[in-house]
Amino acid sequence: AQSVTQPDARVTVSEGASLQLRCKYSYSGTPYLFWYVQYPRQGLQLLLKYYSGDPVVQGVNGFEAEFIKSNSSFHLRKASVHWSDSAVYFCAVRGPGGNYKPTFGKGTSLVVHP
Amino acid sequence: DMKVTQMPRYLIKRMGENVLLECGQDMSHETMYWYRQDPGLGLQLIYISYDVDSNSEGDIPKGYRVSRKKREHFSLILDSAKTNQTSVYFCASSLWDRGNTLYFGEGSRLIVV
Repeated sequence: AQSVTQPDARVTVSEGASLQLRCKYSYSGTPYLFWYVQYPRQGLQLLLKYYSGDPVVQGVNGFEAEFIKSNSSFHLRKASVHWSDSAVYFCAVRGPGGNYKPTFGKGTSLVVHP
Repeated sequence: DMKVTQMPRYLIKRMGENVLLECGQDMSHETMYWYRQDPGLGLQLIYISYDVDSNSEGDIPKGYRVSRKKREHFSLILDSAKTNQTSVYFCASSLWDRGNTLYFGEGSRLIVV
């Protein structure tokens, strides 16, 4: 069965600092991997996704993620955060099989102090 | 316009009452989903629908049922709501391929008292 672990429930950083949000997945094979962001009182929105090719994938608003197969990780990064990046970030995985059910991690709440 | 619309956005019900949450999308997506979101638990998949009248249980289907009679519309029904069904419910849609993005609605906050 596929699973996603986001080990940090909450991350606090200062504006302008760099950021890494961690994600590890469990899946036998090559899955599709996603990062979504949820702003307060809103639904989730896609930041970026990866399946194949360059293991570093670029997303919206300066976010990027790196797929490291040997470590089963797909960490999200940003070079310099802004207070508006404060939100909850979800890592997700989808595998093959007959139903393509996506699995989400529990999310990491990012707080950016001005 | 690439939008998923959920109604109602907020709902208070008494224990034992029936609840209907409705979701619509304008993207002709084949696949639609219902999730619930609770603090510390993230998103849990309740049901997935692959097209009209083609529904499949997710990870936590107990206490819920769904209906999909038109591709653009997917309903979540709680027959005799329970207090532990108090949650925020999200509907999402996507094209069928596993690489395709899920588009989410803004959520329906249900309180069962």
